[in-house]
Amino acid sequence: QSALTQPRSVSGSPGQSVTMSCTGTSSDVGAYNYVSWYQQHPGKAPKLMIFDVNERPSGVPDRFSGSKSGNTASLTISGLQAEDEADYYCCSYAGSYTDWVFGGGTKLTVL
Amino acid sequence: EVQLVESGGGLVQPGGSLRLSCAASGFTFSNYAMSWVRQAPGKGLQWVSVISGSGGSTYYADSVKGRFTISRDNSKNTLYLQMNSLRAEDTAVYYCARLSRSWRDFDLWGRGALVTVSS
Repeated sequence: QSALTQPRSVSGSPGQSVTMSCTGTSSDVGAYNYVSWYQQHPGKAPKLMIFDVNERPSGVPDRFSGSKSGNTASLTISGLQAEDEADYYCCSYAGSYTDWVFGGGTKLTVL
Repeated sequence: EVQLVESGGGLVQPGGSLRLSCAASGFTFSNYAMSWVRQAPGKGLQWVSVISGSGGSTYYADSVKGRFTISRDNSKNTLYLQMNSLRAEDTAVYYCARLSRSWRDFDLWGRGALVTVSS
């Protein structure tokens, strides 16, 4: 499986909303509602922010939301805060219980 | 505290071997499938291998099949990755990650261990 395509960077001001995309194919993002998103601050462990396209784990603020249309998934962060500045990675299950494909990551800058 | 802590990374020559460990705490280790995910310098994440909770089932990405072996010791709450015949392209930070009950996402990660393959 090829990597999912994410924009290298996005930015927004505090309080604003930003949306970042994650484009795959009909074999991964388009085939399953199993897209997840991970936040990673420098030197820290990745953290699950969204699973199953639009579900939030306990403890993740409702400012984070996910969606999917066709072969493209999106992560939206509303009410941007300084602590949201991080790298974000998308991931899609791609079948066979043993295939997960990640994106190259998007660096979010809070201006 | 629920956490995963990797160890065992370092510098190794091409063709060499290295074993990574991941110590789990704060949850019932044997109830979860576990995985290794790596990130090459400046690159995105790449799934490497997964092992079921009992250790009876293992799966590998094609890029490491036949060279890497994943295992676990549930009595020690520890996950392992034995890496043989290492290549320069295996240079990466290796993360230990817990699979969710659905096996569709990774709900807990460690901070990673750096493996550098270079002469």
